[in-house]
Amino acid sequence: GQSLEQPSEVTAVEGAIVQINCTYQTSGFYGLSWYQQHDGGAPTFLSYNALDGLEETGRFSSFLSRSDSYGYLLLQELQMKDSASYFCAVRGDSSYKLIFGSGTRLLVRP
Amino acid sequence: DTAVSQTPKYLVTQMGNDKSIKCEQNLGHDTMYWYKQDSKKFLKIMFSYNNKELIINETVPNRFSPKSPDKAHLNLHINSLELGDSAVYFCASSQVGVEQFFGPGTRLTVL
Repeated sequence: GQSLEQPSEVTAVEGAIVQINCTYQTSGFYGLSWYQQHDGGAPTFLSYNALDGLEETGRFSSFLSRSDSYGYLLLQELQMKDSASYFCAVRGDSSYKLIFGSGTRLLVRP
Repeated sequence: DTAVSQTPKYLVTQMGNDKSIKCEQNLGHDTMYWYKQDSKKFLKIMFSYNNKELIINETVPNRFSPKSPDKAHLNLHINSLELGDSAVYFCASSQVGVEQFFGPGTRLTVL
């Protein structure tokens, strides 16, 4: 089977740093993506890792370890607007097919 | 300019009815998708078309039928709606598959 595991909920304080982990088990692997979704909104693309290592985009960074089937999204200098659900997704046995994790709901408190 | 648009935004209908959702993208992408997001926010791919050709067809009841008249449009027709079809349906598009652009979603409620 194919599965992705991520925590269901994370709470953090404004200005802090938070890490959202994702472990995956898929029949194939092209890369790991992260998407953000605000309540009532559409998922929006944040980052993509095809190779091991850290990718940085502003306040957000994403890490991948292919040997450990593990990745994480790091959010720095948290802002209230970062309160949303964050999904990891694997491009698995097809380069077009995304398999999504169940999402992590991030609540940023003042 | 809206990149990926869907109509309608909300759809409330009775069990047994047939309904359609339309999707259009103006990004020039070759690939379009339909996703279903259930009440627990689990997002699952249903179908994908690449240049009007069906390339992904997940285990979806055959009451669901996608149609792609051209590579900028992907419609979803649902026959004999059931209570379990209630969900948010997202259309998306991409060029290669890495970054997918999602439409605003269609919230379907079956009564």
